[in-house]
Amino acid sequence: GAVVSQHPSWVICKSGTSVKIECRSLDFQATTMFWYRQFPKQSLMLMATSNEGSKATYEQGVEKDKFLINHASLTLSTLTVTSAHPEDSSFYICSARPLVLMGNEKLFFGSGTQLSVL
Amino acid sequence: QKEVEQNSGPLSVPEGAIASLNCTYSDRGSQSFFWYRQYSGKSPELIMSIYSNGDKEDGRFTAQLNKASQYVSLLIRDSQPSDSATYLCAVDMNRDDKIIFGKGTRLHILP
Repeated sequence: GAVVSQHPSWVICKSGTSVKIECRSLDFQATTMFWYRQFPKQSLMLMATSNEGSKATYEQGVEKDKFLINHASLTLSTLTVTSAHPEDSSFYICSARPLVLMGNEKLFFGSGTQLSVL
Repeated sequence: QKEVEQNSGPLSVPEGAIASLNCTYSDRGSQSFFWYRQYSGKSPELIMSIYSNGDKEDGRFTAQLNKASQYVSLLIRDSQPSDSATYLCAVDMNRDDKIIFGKGTRLHILP
């Protein structure tokens, strides 16, 4: 099956620093990549939708200047959490939507990144 | 009205019994529906997808879709302790290129 590589899987950083998370589709091209955030025992919350070569579309309440998304190619999207604070500590997950439909799956998920801000 | 709604649970089911998970959605134009399973600290994994009214069976799992009622469900037969997880209903709204997730139902299979 299709693979989406997300890394790092775990990152601990100091408050005020920036953290970059990569999401890469390994064996397919993705028209769209989605970034989600999930707090403990809560649901997946869509943060933003990114399309290759264009600006990301952010969901209401998500600060675009704090969560910078770059989608430079059809196989790579990055999320940078700028000036991270403890309240940004969360599980961040990316998913990729294939350019060409692959079976019944419309989304392929990365393995997630657990961010802990001290 | 929230776009995709699920009962958060927890839903406790004895081992070997049938677990029934329900989901409603608001956009009548939605065409594609998915059930994902998520273990704690892990990414969601696709269990079933369904596109037309009726039942779709895959092993111990059966997805049911009723577009008139805007309702989709997942049945798990012969429940196993390993089925204990959060089950997410997801709907492709066919607009804005988004798939919207419900909040998930926590399922606990009692040994």
